Amino acid sequence: AQSVTQPDIHITVSEGASLELRCNYSYGATPYLFWYVQSPGQGLQLLLKYFSGDTLVQGIKGFEAEFKRSQSSFNLRKPSVHWSDAAEYFCAVGGYSTLTFGKGTMLLVSP
Amino acid sequence: SAVISQKPSRDICQRGTSLTIQCQVDSQVTMMFWYRQQPGQSLTLIATANQGSEATYESGFVIDKFPISRPNLTFSTLTVSNMSPEDSSIYLCSVEVAQSVYTFGSGTRLTVV
Repeated sequence: AQSVTQPDIHITVSEGASLELRCNYSYGATPYLFWYVQSPGQGLQLLLKYFSGDTLVQGIKGFEAEFKRSQSSFNLRKPSVHWSDAAEYFCAVGGYSTLTFGKGTMLLVSP
Repeated sequence: SAVISQKPSRDICQRGTSLTIQCQVDSQVTMMFWYRQQPGQSLTLIATANQGSEATYESGFVIDKFPISRPNLTFSTLTVSNMSPEDSSIYLCSVEVAQSVYTFGSGTRLTVV
C-alpha cells in the first residue's frame, strides 16, 4: 500500500531564509508525486508535480522539489521564504485516480 | 483548469442531524472525489462519484453514513448523516483536471456539537 510521511508537523522559518520541507513515500511502482499548499480557509492548491524525467521540478511561487528515488524522498524547497508562504503543506503520492496524502507540515514564518 | 465552488464553507450542527455539502464545477468532469480532513490528520478519500452510477466508497466509509449524489457532470453532493462530534472535520471535493492532476474545492469546515 502506498503511504506518505511528512516527519515535521510544524516548522518555523524567518522571513528571507531558505526552506526545506521533507517528504518520504512508499509506493510499489514509479510514483506520481505532488506538493499542495492549503492556506487558512482555502482549498488545496497544487504547487508542483513529478511524473517522470528531470528529477528537479519547478513549481509556482518560487518552489521546487527534488525526487530522489534512492531515498524515496520528494523534498520541497524555496530559497527565500515570504510571510505569505505561511500555510500548511501536503505531500501526496498517486497513481490513476488515487491520491494518498501525508499529514501535512505547518509552516510558520517569523519576521 | 476547473474551478470548484463548494458550499457551505462552514457549519455548526447538532448531533443526530444531517448536513448536505454541494460542489459545483465550471466544466464537465467524469469523476468527482470526496475527502475528509480530520483535525491534525491528512486527507482521506471517502468515495469516488461518477455520473450515472453508484459512488465507490473507500474502506471505512459506507453509503448510509455518507450518501453521495451525482446527477450530472458538473455537480455532486455529499451528505453527512446522523452526525456525531467525531464527524467534525473539513470535507473537500476534488476533480481530475488532467491525468493524475487534481483541483480541490475550498472545503467545508463542519463542527458537530
